[in-house]
Amino acid sequence: DGGITQSPKYLFRKEGQNVTLSCEQNLNHDAMYWYRQDPGQGLRLIYYSQIVNDFQKGDIAEGYSVSREKKESFPLTVTSAQKNPTAFYLCASSIVGRGQAKNIQYFGAGTRLSVL
Amino acid sequence: GDSVTQMEGPVTLSEEAFLTINCTYTATGYPSLFWYVQYPGEGLQLLLKATKADDKGSNKGFEATYRKETTSFHLEKGSVQVSDSAVYFCALSDPAETSGSRLTFGEGTQLTVNP
Repeated sequence: DGGITQSPKYLFRKEGQNVTLSCEQNLNHDAMYWYRQDPGQGLRLIYYSQIVNDFQKGDIAEGYSVSREKKESFPLTVTSAQKNPTAFYLCASSIVGRGQAKNIQYFGAGTRLSVL
Repeated sequence: GDSVTQMEGPVTLSEEAFLTINCTYTATGYPSLFWYVQYPGEGLQLLLKATKADDKGSNKGFEATYRKETTSFHLEKGSVQVSDSAVYFCALSDPAETSGSRLTFGEGTQLTVNP
């Protein structure tokens, strides 16, 4: 089955530690996205990538980094510079190009990050 | 910039009650509009969408009509079930995007349906 796989489901970070969240998709989508979800605040865009080896900052990129070395993979690193990392992180993907189908994003099941 | 405003939650209903979740938006041009649903502990799933004024999106008994004159996209269902308990997000996509699309989300509305 095609879809988006995020791992791990739960992750704990110690003070001063960098942690990496995995996102893999087999939908053959060119675009991938990372969102942060906090209670009562909806989803906020951290980073997005429309093609391999290229990515753009979203609305809350500070304290995060990403890479896009393969079409299928878009890992997110939460660095020690992110002072309030506790949240639910969601990865999504979509096609790129003309037509309304490009507006539909498909989501993974999420990773819940907590600080020890 | 673009923004989406949803009615404040949480919303609690009895089974078979009528549901309305209000959504209004601010955007330049003519955005595409979406409702996504998030069940407990899961990611978001697309529930329905509309791409132009007066379009009606529908799925699983849910409906929403794109109203340009009132910049609204209210979600409705005639008879809710316990299994509809979830968080519902209204979102828009900027039509000026020529490639992969950014979505702007509302705050989400928690719906609980009691038997």
